[in-house]
Amino acid sequence: EAQVTQNPRYLITVTGKKLTVTCSQNMNHEYMSWYRQDPGLGLRQIYYSMNVEVTDKGDVPEGYKVSRKEKRNFPLILESPSPNQTSLYFCASSPEETQYFGPGTRLLVL
Amino acid sequence: AQSVTQLGSHVSVSEGALVLLRCNYSSSVPPYLFWYVQYPNQGLQLLLKYTTGATLVKGINGFEAEFKKSETSFHLTKPSAHMSDAAEYFCAVSWYSSASKIIFGSGTRLSIRP
Repeated sequence: EAQVTQNPRYLITVTGKKLTVTCSQNMNHEYMSWYRQDPGLGLRQIYYSMNVEVTDKGDVPEGYKVSRKEKRNFPLILESPSPNQTSLYFCASSPEETQYFGPGTRLLVL
Repeated sequence: AQSVTQLGSHVSVSEGALVLLRCNYSSSVPPYLFWYVQYPNQGLQLLLKYTTGATLVKGINGFEAEFKKSETSFHLTKPSAHMSDAAEYFCAVSWYSSASKIIFGSGTRLSIRP
């Protein structure tokens, strides 16, 4: 089944404790992105990647890191999480302009 | 700055009534336009998209949208609402043929009254 998977789906952590949210797609898509969804703000792009080892900042990259060492994986790293990063996070992959979204990761930073 | 505006954060209609969700974007260049739907506790899925060609686009579940360049709008409609249409709807716009840069609207929550 073609899909985008994210892990974990739910995460509660404390300020400053490094965490990684994994994202994997099995559709051989070149493009992958990370978004955060906050009430009233819609989805805002954090980072995107156009291919292996090619990444670029989106609209809200501060406090986040990404890497793209393999085509299928695009992990999101929060090296020192803060409460303002509490949000719902979505990974997406795409072959061209249409995006395919993962199920989301709900993060709470205390 | 490029932006997408969805008028109305919450729209409520009766079952069987017309659904109209509004979306306007800021651009002088014809973009790529999308509507995505998000059901509770799920990710977003594509409802329909406009890239080139016919400006009236049909999507899944009986939805359609019309690209009006002169009005910079891409409103979503459905002639007869069904209870299963209750969800959050996002308009999105891309100024590139790739998915490298897409801007989403703030979303409209659609409620259906029995």
